[in-house]
Amino acid sequence: GQNIDQPTEMTATEGAIVQINCTYQTSGFNGLFWYQQHAGEAPTFLSYNVLDGLEEKGRFSSFLSRSKGYSYLLLKELQMKDSASYLCAGSWAGNNRKLIWGLGTSLAVNP
Amino acid sequence: NAGVMQNPRHLVRRRGQEARLRCSPMKGHSHVYWYRQLPEEGLKFMVYLQKENIIDESGMPKERFSAEFPKEGPSILRIQQVVRGDSAAYFCASSPRTHGSSTDEQYFGPGTRLTVT
Repeated sequence: GQNIDQPTEMTATEGAIVQINCTYQTSGFNGLFWYQQHAGEAPTFLSYNVLDGLEEKGRFSSFLSRSKGYSYLLLKELQMKDSASYLCAGSWAGNNRKLIWGLGTSLAVNP
Repeated sequence: NAGVMQNPRHLVRRRGQEARLRCSPMKGHSHVYWYRQLPEEGLKFMVYLQKENIIDESGMPKERFSAEFPKEGPSILRIQQVVRGDSAAYFCASSPRTHGSSTDEQYFGPGTRLTVT
């Protein structure tokens, strides 16, 4: 299958660092997206990883290990506004451009 | 460059009526995707269309639901004879046609919140 698995909920403290993990099936895998979705709003793009390694974008970084079928989103210097759902989505060969989406990780940032 | 536009933003229908949801992709985008999201749940893929073609409708319920993306005008998701279980947020996303790329970032519209009473 081409399942995407990620934790359902996480809690962290303002100013801290949090890592949200995502695992997927490696066979035929192309690349992996991370999106952020605030309650009642549309998902917005955060990152796209195709190659192994860490890609940094300000306070947010995303990591991919193709051989291990593993990715994580790293959020630094957490702010209250980072409270949101973080969606992991993957693309596989043979799926045209369709993405397979995880159920999302709901992150609560507490003061 | 305007983003993905969806209308209406909120739609209320009584059971048995038809719901028609519209999506205008970003300028230059020729790929449209429709998703459904129930409260506290993840995005559920419904259908993927290019102009005048349905590429993948594996997530569409077999009955009452249909989608189109005509040569001119927006993409339409149509739900006939709505039931209470159809109440959800329906998101449309679009992506460009990029030569040599098998996967493109999807840009989401603000969604249509459908309430069936």
